[in-house]
Amino acid sequence: AQKVTQAQTEISVVEKEDVTLDCVYETRDTTYYLFWYKQPPSGELVFLIRRNSFDEQNEISGRYSWNFQKSTSSFNFTITASQVVDSAVYFCALNGNTGKLIFGQGTTLQVKP
Amino acid sequence: DAGVIQSPRHEVTEMGQEVTLRCKPISGHNSLFWYRQTMMRGLELLIYFNNNVPIDDSGMPEDRFSAKMPNASFSTLKIQPSEPRDSAVYFCASREGFANTGELFFGEGSRLTVL
Repeated sequence: AQKVTQAQTEISVVEKEDVTLDCVYETRDTTYYLFWYKQPPSGELVFLIRRNSFDEQNEISGRYSWNFQKSTSSFNFTITASQVVDSAVYFCALNGNTGKLIFGQGTTLQVKP
Repeated sequence: DAGVIQSPRHEVTEMGQEVTLRCKPISGHNSLFWYRQTMMRGLELLIYFNNNVPIDDSGMPEDRFSAKMPNASFSTLKIQPSEPRDSAVYFCASREGFANTGELFFGEGSRLTVL
Protein backbone atom coordinates (compact mmCIF):
# COMPACT_ATOMS: atom_id res chain seq x y z
CA ALA A 1 0.00 0.00 0.00
CA GLN A 2 1.08 3.54 -0.62
CA LYS A 3 0.76 6.28 1.93
CA VAL A 4 1.81 9.88 2.37
CA THR A 5 1.94 11.47 5.80
CA GLN A 6 2.15 15.17 6.46
CA ALA A 7 2.27 15.32 10.22
CA GLN A 8 2.01 19.10 10.42
CA THR A 9 -1.61 20.11 10.06
CA GLU A 10 -1.05 23.84 10.42
CA ILE A 11 2.02 26.05 10.62
CA SER A 12 2.05 29.74 11.36
CA VAL A 13 5.12 31.92 10.81
CA VAL A 14 5.93 35.58 10.56
CA GLU A 15 7.00 36.96 7.22
CA LYS A 16 10.69 36.45 6.39
CA GLU A 17 10.99 33.39 8.57
CA ASP A 18 12.12 30.13 7.00
CA VAL A 19 9.69 27.24 7.23
CA THR A 20 9.97 23.52 6.47
CA LEU A 21 7.03 21.33 5.59
CA ASP A 22 7.54 17.67 6.33
CA CYS A 23 6.49 14.75 4.15
CA VAL A 24 7.01 11.06 4.85
CA TYR A 25 5.91 8.40 2.40
CA GLU A 26 5.47 4.63 2.27
CA THR A 27 5.71 2.46 -0.81
CA ARG A 28 7.02 -0.93 -1.82
CA ASP A 29 7.67 0.18 -5.36
CA THR A 30 11.29 0.66 -6.37
CA THR A 31 10.37 3.28 -8.93
CA TYR A 32 8.13 6.09 -7.86
CA TYR A 33 7.65 9.81 -8.14
CA LEU A 34 7.09 12.39 -5.46
CA PHE A 35 5.32 15.69 -5.94
CA TRP A 36 4.45 18.87 -4.12
CA TYR A 37 1.35 20.89 -4.94
CA LYS A 38 0.19 24.23 -3.60
CA GLN A 39 -3.47 25.14 -3.02
CA PRO A 40 -3.86 28.87 -2.45
CA PRO A 41 -7.05 30.33 -0.94
CA SER A 42 -8.56 30.57 -4.43
CA GLY A 43 -8.73 26.78 -4.43
CA GLU A 44 -6.85 25.59 -7.48
CA LEU A 45 -4.07 23.02 -7.21
CA VAL A 46 -0.73 24.21 -8.54
CA PHE A 47 2.11 21.84 -9.35
CA LEU A 48 5.43 22.79 -7.72
CA ILE A 49 7.89 19.96 -8.23
CA ARG A 50 8.36 16.34 -9.24
CA ARG A 51 11.19 14.10 -8.07
CA ASN A 52 11.85 10.49 -9.11
CA SER A 53 13.05 7.84 -6.70
CA PHE A 54 16.47 7.57 -8.31
CA ASP A 55 17.37 11.20 -7.99
CA GLU A 56 18.20 12.22 -4.45
CA GLN A 57 19.72 15.53 -5.37
CA ASN A 58 18.23 18.41 -3.54
CA GLU A 59 16.57 21.04 -5.66
CA ILE A 60 16.32 24.76 -5.28
CA SER A 61 13.99 27.07 -7.13
CA GLY A 62 14.15 30.63 -5.92
CA ARG A 63 13.01 30.68 -2.30
CA TYR A 64 11.82 27.07 -2.52
CA SER A 65 13.98 24.04 -1.86
CA TRP A 66 13.32 20.34 -1.54
CA ASN A 67 15.21 17.70 0.40
CA PHE A 68 14.66 14.10 -0.71
CA GLN A 69 16.09 11.43 1.57
CA LYS A 70 15.33 7.90 0.54
CA SER A 71 16.87 6.46 3.71
CA THR A 72 14.19 8.12 5.80
CA SER A 73 11.46 8.09 3.11
CA SER A 74 11.11 11.82 3.39
CA PHE A 75 10.63 14.61 0.88
CA ASN A 76 10.63 17.86 2.80
CA PHE A 77 9.90 21.31 1.43
CA THR A 78 11.53 24.49 2.70
CA ILE A 79 10.46 28.04 1.99
CA THR A 80 13.15 30.58 2.72
CA ALA A 81 12.24 34.11 3.73
CA SER A 82 8.52 33.36 3.64
CA GLN A 83 6.06 35.90 2.27
CA VAL A 84 2.38 36.46 2.87
CA VAL A 85 1.67 35.17 -0.65
CA ASP A 86 3.06 31.80 0.41
CA SER A 87 0.01 31.29 2.62
CA ALA A 88 -1.70 28.20 1.25
CA VAL A 89 -2.28 24.52 1.79
CA TYR A 90 0.65 22.44 0.60
CA PHE A 91 0.24 18.82 -0.45
CA CYS A 92 2.86 16.16 -0.84
CA ALA A 93 1.94 13.31 -3.17
CA LEU A 94 3.27 9.94 -4.32
CA ASN A 95 2.85 8.11 -7.60
CA GLY A 96 4.11 4.56 -7.76
CA ASN A 97 3.64 1.77 -10.25
CA THR A 98 -0.13 1.94 -10.07
CA GLY A 99 -0.24 5.28 -11.85
CA LYS A 100 -2.41 6.71 -9.07
CA LEU A 101 -1.33 9.94 -7.44
CA ILE A 102 -1.91 9.64 -3.70
CA PHE A 103 -1.95 12.83 -1.64
CA GLY A 104 -1.08 13.53 1.97
CA GLN A 105 -3.55 15.36 4.17
CA GLY A 106 -1.91 18.70 3.49
CA THR A 107 -0.24 21.32 5.65
CA THR A 108 -1.86 24.72 6.02
CA LEU A 109 0.77 27.43 6.07
CA GLN A 110 -0.12 30.87 7.34
CA VAL A 111 2.43 33.61 6.88
CA LYS A 112 1.65 36.70 8.93
CA PRO A 113 2.91 40.13 7.98
CA ASP B 1 -3.48 26.88 -24.10
CA ALA B 2 -6.63 26.08 -22.19
CA GLY B 3 -6.22 24.10 -19.02
CA VAL B 4 -8.56 21.50 -17.61
CA ILE B 5 -12.08 22.87 -17.74
CA GLN B 6 -14.72 21.84 -15.25
CA SER B 7 -18.37 22.72 -15.02
CA PRO B 8 -20.32 23.75 -13.14
CA ARG B 9 -18.07 25.67 -10.78
CA HIS B 10 -20.74 25.66 -8.10
CA GLU B 11 -23.79 23.49 -7.68
CA VAL B 12 -26.38 23.54 -4.95
CA THR B 13 -28.96 20.80 -5.02
CA GLU B 14 -31.35 18.98 -2.79
CA MET B 15 -30.91 15.52 -1.44
CA GLY B 16 -32.11 12.90 -3.87
CA GLN B 17 -31.41 14.90 -7.00
CA GLU B 18 -29.07 13.76 -9.74
CA VAL B 19 -25.84 15.69 -10.10
CA THR B 20 -23.62 15.64 -13.17
CA LEU B 21 -20.16 17.17 -13.13
CA ARG B 22 -18.28 17.69 -16.37
CA CYS B 23 -14.65 17.84 -17.33
CA LYS B 24 -12.71 18.66 -20.45
CA PRO B 25 -9.07 17.57 -20.15
CA ILE B 26 -6.12 19.27 -21.77
CA SER B 27 -5.93 18.35 -25.42
CA GLY B 28 -3.46 15.54 -26.03
CA HIS B 29 -3.51 14.25 -22.46
CA ASN B 30 -4.14 10.52 -22.20
CA SER B 31 -5.05 10.12 -18.55
CA LEU B 32 -7.91 11.68 -16.64
CA PHE B 33 -8.53 11.64 -12.90
CA TRP B 34 -11.46 12.54 -10.64
CA TYR B 35 -10.68 13.58 -7.06
CA ARG B 36 -12.91 14.65 -4.19
CA GLN B 37 -11.75 17.06 -1.51
CA THR B 38 -13.32 17.37 1.93
CA MET B 39 -12.05 18.70 5.22
CA MET B 40 -12.34 15.31 6.86
CA ARG B 41 -10.86 13.09 4.17
CA GLY B 42 -8.62 15.43 2.23
CA LEU B 43 -7.99 14.71 -1.45
CA GLU B 44 -9.31 11.30 -2.43
CA LEU B 45 -8.86 9.71 -5.83
CA LEU B 46 -12.22 8.46 -7.05
CA ILE B 47 -11.40 7.03 -10.47
CA TYR B 48 -8.95 7.40 -13.30
CA PHE B 49 -8.97 6.68 -17.00
CA ASN B 50 -6.25 5.90 -19.51
CA ASN B 51 -7.21 6.42 -23.15
CA ASN B 52 -10.86 6.79 -22.10
CA VAL B 53 -10.84 3.39 -20.35
CA PRO B 54 -11.46 3.27 -16.58
CA ILE B 55 -8.38 1.76 -14.97
CA ASP B 56 -9.10 2.00 -11.27
CA ASP B 57 -12.43 2.92 -9.72
CA SER B 58 -11.68 1.57 -6.26
CA GLY B 59 -12.08 5.03 -4.81
CA MET B 60 -15.67 5.46 -5.97
CA PRO B 61 -17.55 5.51 -2.68
CA GLU B 62 -20.78 3.80 -3.64
CA ASP B 63 -22.94 2.69 -6.51
CA ARG B 64 -24.53 6.11 -6.44
CA PHE B 65 -21.36 7.38 -8.11
CA SER B 66 -20.55 6.69 -11.73
CA ALA B 67 -18.05 8.16 -14.19
CA LYS B 68 -17.77 7.97 -17.93
CA MET B 69 -15.34 9.11 -20.56
CA PRO B 70 -17.03 8.71 -23.94
CA ASN B 71 -14.16 10.36 -25.80
CA ALA B 72 -10.74 11.87 -25.23
CA SER B 73 -12.08 15.34 -24.63
CA PHE B 74 -14.92 14.80 -22.20
CA SER B 75 -15.71 13.06 -18.94
CA THR B 76 -18.62 13.11 -16.52
CA LEU B 77 -19.01 12.21 -12.87
CA LYS B 78 -22.57 11.50 -11.89
CA ILE B 79 -24.11 11.14 -8.46
CA GLN B 80 -27.60 9.68 -8.30
CA PRO B 81 -29.22 10.11 -5.87
CA SER B 82 -27.17 12.76 -4.13
CA GLU B 83 -26.85 12.94 -0.34
CA PRO B 84 -25.62 15.72 1.99
CA ARG B 85 -22.44 13.78 2.71
CA ASP B 86 -21.52 14.12 -0.96
CA SER B 87 -20.95 17.83 -0.42
CA ALA B 88 -17.34 18.48 -1.42
CA VAL B 89 -15.13 20.02 -4.06
CA TYR B 90 -14.67 17.68 -6.99
CA PHE B 91 -11.51 18.09 -9.04
CA CYS B 92 -10.76 16.76 -12.47
CA ALA B 93 -7.14 16.43 -13.57
CA SER B 94 -5.38 15.24 -16.68
CA ARG B 95 -1.90 13.98 -17.46
CA GLU B 96 0.08 13.48 -20.60
CA GLY B 97 0.94 9.82 -21.12
CA PHE B 98 0.16 6.78 -18.97
CA ALA B 99 3.28 6.52 -16.90
CA ASN B 100 3.60 7.70 -13.36
CA THR B 101 6.17 10.30 -14.30
CA GLY B 102 4.14 13.27 -15.28
CA GLU B 103 2.43 15.82 -13.14
CA LEU B 104 -1.32 16.15 -13.04
CA PHE B 105 -2.91 19.37 -14.23
CA PHE B 106 -6.00 20.20 -12.23
CA GLY B 107 -9.16 22.05 -13.09
CA GLU B 108 -10.53 24.72 -10.79
CA GLY B 109 -12.93 22.30 -9.19
CA SER B 110 -16.70 21.96 -8.87
CA ARG B 111 -18.03 22.85 -5.44
CA LEU B 112 -21.08 20.70 -4.70
CA THR B 113 -23.48 21.41 -1.87
CA VAL B 114 -26.26 18.92 -1.23
CA LEU B 115 -28.95 20.21 1.12
